[in-house]
Amino acid sequence: DQQVKQNSPSLSVQEGRISILNCDYTNSMFDYFLWYKKYPAEGPTFLISISSIKDKNEDGRFTVFLNKSAKHLSLHIVPSQPGDSAVYFCAASSGTYKYIFGTGTRLKVLA
Amino acid sequence: DAGITQSPRHKVTETGTPVTLRCHQTENHRYMYWYRQDPGHGLRLIHYSYGVKDTDKGEVSDGYSVSRSKTEDFLLTLESATSSQTSVYFCATDTGRGEAFFGQGTRLTVV
Repeated sequence: DQQVKQNSPSLSVQEGRISILNCDYTNSMFDYFLWYKKYPAEGPTFLISISSIKDKNEDGRFTVFLNKSAKHLSLHIVPSQPGDSAVYFCAASSGTYKYIFGTGTRLKVLA
Repeated sequence: DAGITQSPRHKVTETGTPVTLRCHQTENHRYMYWYRQDPGHGLRLIHYSYGVKDTDKGEVSDGYSVSRSKTEDFLLTLESATSSQTSVYFCATDTGRGEAFFGQGTRLTVV
């Protein structure tokens, strides 16, 4: 039973445009959400997080939006750059420091 | 990379043999995790630790055991390796502030 779902396995975007990666969750107890980026043959690296008391968090080109009623979060990357090409994972926790990850979305930014 | 070292980085082993993967951290982080990454499944939590000798099961703990006798070391043991445990294994640590740092991964092949 997948508690955190990323329904788009892949996404292609033109350089300079917006990339929107989506994530849905089923456990209403999740109160903290994170996004990670992973390049081939490397470990995932932390990108941005959001607490359930917020609905938006920004860090440079990256913005995460949280819609608690829909149990949905999204990561916006503006503008997208070729170096952003990677696999993106969303993750969630319920205050226990036990992080549950989604299946990942492979983003390809076309030059 | 938060001072996380996984060893070995690559291993090929035979079905039925025991295997131990090691994660060593130099940051004195309290929380440590073992994940496996498989196509179509993303990152799945195997076990995690919230302190020395304090561990708990994750999503896919069957067939795996862990031990943490020192803050800096978290061992993952496959008691009797099976082909279904062929995967890339990632260790991670977390300061408790909501950012997990990952190691470079261990590619394990069970033949």
